[in-house]
Amino acid sequence: KAGVTQTPRYLIKTRGQQVTLSCSPISGHRSVSWYQQTPGQGLQFLFEYFSETQRNKGNFPGRFSGRQFSNSRSEMNVSTLELGDSALYLCASSKTGTSGPYGETQYFGPGTRLLVL
Amino acid sequence: GENVEQHPSTLSVQEGDSAVIKCTYSDSASNYFPWYKQELGKRPQLIIDIRSNVGEKKDQRIAVTLNKTAKHFSLHITETQPEDSAVYFCAASIRTGTASKLTFGTGTRLQVTL
Repeated sequence: KAGVTQTPRYLIKTRGQQVTLSCSPISGHRSVSWYQQTPGQGLQFLFEYFSETQRNKGNFPGRFSGRQFSNSRSEMNVSTLELGDSALYLCASSKTGTSGPYGETQYFGPGTRLLVL
Repeated sequence: GENVEQHPSTLSVQEGDSAVIKCTYSDSASNYFPWYKQELGKRPQLIIDIRSNVGEKKDQRIAVTLNKTAKHFSLHITETQPEDSAVYFCAASIRTGTASKLTFGTGTRLQVTL
């Protein structure tokens, strides 16, 4: 099976611009989560989508948004970019829908490295 | 919400020695604990995980232990090799219905020296 893919891999933007990142999950996986990774803050949860609905949300401002399509592919958008938005943005997919009480394994994509100048 | 603390932030060991990374979590409802390894410039890769119904799990040189009462879990790497050098993240997951959410520790940079 192909792994999680993300596009683009690298992006340079200037303050005030907006950006859209894309994530394609592993085939058959229905949940996509997004994380921001910075050297000082580690992996911070942004949001999670399942069946085209946002199911969980982290503590990020409304400038960060996302959506999921019927084929489970997901996009995240950051508007009015700030210098502090420079980071590696990772998405992860999991199967979801399986029975059982335990949390599910998430598989990560290679990330999109965003630099805001 | 869940909070995961991870220690140490950096760890240097000699090749062949053991390495131990410790994490604590705050929410007793967490029941799944994966560990990820992230090499420089690469994606986090799952290396081992444990569910709350077991206390220990081993996979070759890697083992994870879980103490639910104390709410802490640890990663043990034996006979370390230079290729073990990476950043390791622990995480805790709570499941609500069909949704589960991972909360990560801040990472441990492991350096294995020759």
